[in-house]
Amino acid sequence: KAGVTQTPRYLIKTRGQQVTLSCSPISGHRSVSWYQQTPGQGLQFLFEYFSETQRNKGNFPGRFSGRQFSNSRSEMNVSTLELGDSALYLCASSTGFSETQYFGPGTRLLVL
Amino acid sequence: QKEVEQNSGPLSVPEGAIASLNCTYSDRGSQSFFWYRQYSGKSPELIMFIYSNGDKEDGRFTAQLNKASQYVSLLIRDSQPSDSATYLCAVQTNYGQNFVFGPGTRLSVLP
Repeated sequence: KAGVTQTPRYLIKTRGQQVTLSCSPISGHRSVSWYQQTPGQGLQFLFEYFSETQRNKGNFPGRFSGRQFSNSRSEMNVSTLELGDSALYLCASSTGFSETQYFGPGTRLLVL
Repeated sequence: QKEVEQNSGPLSVPEGAIASLNCTYSDRGSQSFFWYRQYSGKSPELIMFIYSNGDKEDGRFTAQLNKASQYVSLLIRDSQPSDSATYLCAVQTNYGQNFVFGPGTRLSVLP
C-alpha cells in the first residue's frame, strides 16, 4: 500500500503571497490532519478533515484553511504569508475510525 | 489548555543501555497515548500506542502508562545508534479529538 504523499516537498514564497499544499492519504483512509512543525513551537495541530468535513480545528488564524475532496485528498491554503509561517507542514492520514495516524514526508515552506 | 510535556534533552545513553523517555499530560480525561520517532529532516513515524494502565511491549520498546499520575513513558532496551532521534509523545483526549504533541525528547545513543 502506498504511503501518504505530499506535494510540493519544498516551497519558497515571499511575504503576502498565498500557498496551497496538497496531501494524498493512504488508500482507504478518510481522515487527513494537518500539522505545522517549527523548532520553537514543535508540532501543532491545524485541522482535521473527515469525509470532506472539517471535524477538528486547532488555534490558528483564519489565514490557514483547508478542504478535502471526495477522493479524500486534502489541500491546505495559507493566505497573506508571514515570515513566521516558515515551517514544515505535515499531513497525517488515518481511517478516521482508529486513532493511529501515519505522517507524510511533509512540505517545507520558507517565507522570505 | 491541554498540555503535554517532555524533557527536551538531549538524553545521551551508551549503546546497549536502556533509554527511558518520559511524558506528562495535563488533561486527566486523556484516553490514548502514542509515541512517535522523528529522525532529523524526516517526518514522525509511529512506534507504538497504549490505552490502558500498565506496560505494553513491542520488541525492544515498552510503553508504560499511569493514568493516575498522568504519566506515560517509553523504554528502549539495548539502545542502538540508529535509535538516535527525537521522540514525540502524543495524547488524544477522546476518539475523534485532535492529538496534542509534546515538544519531543532528543535521544543520542553513543557507540
